[in-house]
Amino acid sequence: ETGVTQTPRHLVMGMTNKKSLKCEQHLGHNAMYWYKQSAKKPLELMFVYNFKEQTENNSVPSRFSPECPNSSHLFLHLHTLQPEDSALYLCASSQDDRGSSYEQYFGPGTRLTVT
Amino acid sequence: AQSVSQHNHHVILSEAASLELGCNYSYGGTVNLFWYVQYPGQHLQLLLKYFSGDPLVKGIKGFEAEFIKSKFSFNLRKPSVQWSDTAEYFCAVNARDSSYKLIFGSGTRLLVRP
Repeated sequence: ETGVTQTPRHLVMGMTNKKSLKCEQHLGHNAMYWYKQSAKKPLELMFVYNFKEQTENNSVPSRFSPECPNSSHLFLHLHTLQPEDSALYLCASSQDDRGSSYEQYFGPGTRLTVT
Repeated sequence: AQSVSQHNHHVILSEAASLELGCNYSYGGTVNLFWYVQYPGQHLQLLLKYFSGDPLVKGIKGFEAEFIKSKFSFNLRKPSVQWSDTAEYFCAVNARDSSYKLIFGSGTRLLVRP
């Protein structure tokens, strides 16, 4: 275990559904990240939060909406997704996003299938 | 834009064989380099990292990697693989001036046959 948990681990949703992914870190870190891992593609950074403030939105469609109520919790709200959004969504945390030497710790991911 | 290339997408080895996985990056400035591993059904975990100093870095489970600045490479090596090394390996880079942007390669799936 890395100290980063994600729920649910698996999610199947229709294109008209609204669901949320949750990430929690128990490491005392200040930065949290959402990544998308699709088959045969590199991990794609989606969002970065540092001290609860969003510092990066990597041109992610608005059907993905992040929320970071505190430094330990990160959510990804999903609505009207497309089948091509099916992927493994990974959460990560690090000390902060300005210390370049701080490695990121990853959660186990949520396997999302959009039908 | 920064990018990371892992040229071997699938590697199959027998136990005790030596391993070398290639990683090249494109960025002209100072970088930090990482290798992550993802065992079947498990989360991504850090194998080793390079920030500065000795370009030969040692990580967990007998892995090592060498940073060759002139070749923009950070190849992963292990002298003798085990069946338990079966996993997917990801090279990643971040630039010192955009520290949070960890750019990943597409990964190499390693299968070690007993």
